[in-house]
Formats: sequence, structure tokens, C-alpha cells
Amino acid sequence: QSVLTQPPSASGTPGQRVTISCSGSSSNIGSNYVYWYQQLPGTAPKVLIYRNNQRPSGVPDRFSGSKSGTSASLAISGLRSEDEADYYCVAWDDTLSGPVFGGGTKLTVL
Amino acid sequence: QVQLVQSGSELKKPGASVKVSCKASGYTFTTYPMNWVRQTPGQGLEWMGWINTNTRNPTYAQGFTGRFVFSLDTSVSTTYLEISSLKAEDTAVYFCARAPQLPGEFDYWGQGTLVTVSS
Repeated sequence: QSVLTQPPSASGTPGQRVTISCSGSSSNIGSNYVYWYQQLPGTAPKVLIYRNNQRPSGVPDRFSGSKSGTSASLAISGLRSEDEADYYCVAWDDTLSGPVFGGGTKLTVL
Repeated sequence: QVQLVQSGSELKKPGASVKVSCKASGYTFTTYPMNWVRQTPGQGLEWMGWINTNTRNPTYAQGFTGRFVFSLDTSVSTTYLEISSLKAEDTAVYFCARAPQLPGEFDYWGQGTLVTVSS
């Protein structure tokens, strides 16, 4: 069982807006930054969002992150076929003294 | 450009040991710590710990003490993960990942090394 809770799957059609949630607790999301990673099949994860809502250079502004209390969300607008991937949220956990991952959400573009 | 290149897939028998390498290039190796992350179908992604590439001091996450050892060779800018007394449940893809600013803020990852433990 992952410390952070994500829905196992999400889907949308091209052009739609999709949101993926990540639920945690006061010891992780509630008091630390949230990160979002995208993992394409057979590749390593790649950072999409860092420090709650910041995008690294090269990440399209179709991707956005937000945080409220002990939950966070990743929104993808203008959905494209190449967005089909697994998405993971990550946050430092003060109790475990390490970063903890969500279980991952498999996004399907219909 | 920054690159982390890991060693190839391994097939090991239960009880054996394996050593996975992660060679860094494109930056000063001893500037940033290196993390290890495990990915299994059942448990997803798990942080295994990190090693301070300057002091060589390792930190292991809960569940990764005893049989797991991080080490490094600064002369070849390489970090190692050694797992002893392998079990079937160690079958996973192991990633090295750099976190230069904050823990969990991984900016570069190795390509992953599949370790399969099977008799």
C-alpha cells in the first residue's frame, strides 16, 4: 500500500481536461512540497511538476499542479495521445524521513 | 548534458548477490547526492535511500536495511547498489536518481536496471 493515494486509472479524449488527485496526510503533503512524475512505458520517470506547481523548462503549460491541505492535483488540459502514461505524485514524509510515492495513475487517451 | 547510465539487466538465483552500477556524467559527481528507487508491479515506486557522494555516508529507507548497500567510486563517477541474499521479491527495476536541491526532487534518472531473481 502506498503512503499517498491516487486513483489507479483515468481517461479522457483528445482535447479534454483531465485531473489526477493525490491524497496524503499532515506529515507529507500537508507540510511539504508535492512533485509529479510522468513515466512512459519502458522509461524512467520524468519530473512534470516540482514544488507543488512549478514546471521545469520543456514541460508544456498544458500540465499544471495544485495543492490544498493534505491533497494535491495534477491537471492536464488539451489532452494528447502522447500524454498516455503513468503519473506519480511524490512528497517528503516527516515521519518516515524520506520521500513517499503515490501508487500511480494510468492515464488512457481514448 | 547530465546523464546517468546504469548497468544491464541481471538474472540471479535466490541467495546470490547482485551489484548494479550508475555512472554519472555531465556534472561534478561529488556535488549532489544520489538516490536509489525500486519499482515493482506490486509495490509501485519506492525510495530506497540515498548516498552522500561527498562524505560517502549512506542513508537507507525503512525496509532497505541489512541486505542493501550503497557505495561509490568517485574516480569513475559511479554509484553502486549491492543486494545480498537475493529473494524472489527483490525482482524489480532499480533506478538511480539525482536530487540536487531537495529530497524527492529528482531531476535526472538512470534508465533503470531489471533484476530478476528466479531459480
